[in-house]
Amino acid sequence: AQKVTQAQTEISVVEKEDVTLDCVYETRDTTYYLFWYKQPPSGELVFLIRRNSFDEQNEISGRYSWNFQKSTSSFNFTITASQVVDSAVYFCALRGKLSFGAGTTVTVRA
Amino acid sequence: DTGVSQNPRHKITKRGQNVTFRCDPISEHNRLYWYRQTLGQGPEFLTYFQNEAQLEKSRLLSDRFSAERPKGSFSTLEIQRTEQGDSAMYLCASSPGLEDTQYFGPGTRLTVL
Repeated sequence: AQKVTQAQTEISVVEKEDVTLDCVYETRDTTYYLFWYKQPPSGELVFLIRRNSFDEQNEISGRYSWNFQKSTSSFNFTITASQVVDSAVYFCALRGKLSFGAGTTVTVRA
Repeated sequence: DTGVSQNPRHKITKRGQNVTFRCDPISEHNRLYWYRQTLGQGPEFLTYFQNEAQLEKSRLLSDRFSAERPKGSFSTLEIQRTEQGDSAMYLCASSPGLEDTQYFGPGTRLTVL
């Protein structure tokens, strides 16, 4: 069985602040993929990033960065210099038949 | 390249009625997935297809639910004898392969009165 836990239910920040979203997962697989998706108020899930388990190199893509630590089964996601348009629910998900966390609602205030 | 499309976007029905939703995946994507999302929760896996073959069904998918992908292109999800507990957003996604990124459609919001 696999499980994804997003302990933060809501985060509220002021524009330009950084936001870090936590994700902890459980799986018995030795290789797997992790994802972050964004769901704005319109409702459509938007793919953000994908990381495979055998590559722990952390990366930055524009204002997004992620910290994958296999030893602690964590896959945290950071939005740098947040903007109002970043307001959405963010979901962490695990491998093929995606197992989603419950989501973290991010509100960015102007 | 168009994205995943779903129809209808909204469906209101009375308890006991049957409903059918359609999903058109990104062309040439072999895998098609159905998920259900209730308010305040993450999407839950229902079933998936590789081409026309339905490879797995979640235990969430009761006997009242049936999904097809007859020609390996679009898919339909039918709910028979709807119940109020079926009210949710039904999401469809497609991907080239199992571990590839899934791209989601806008969803069909079902309300059962």
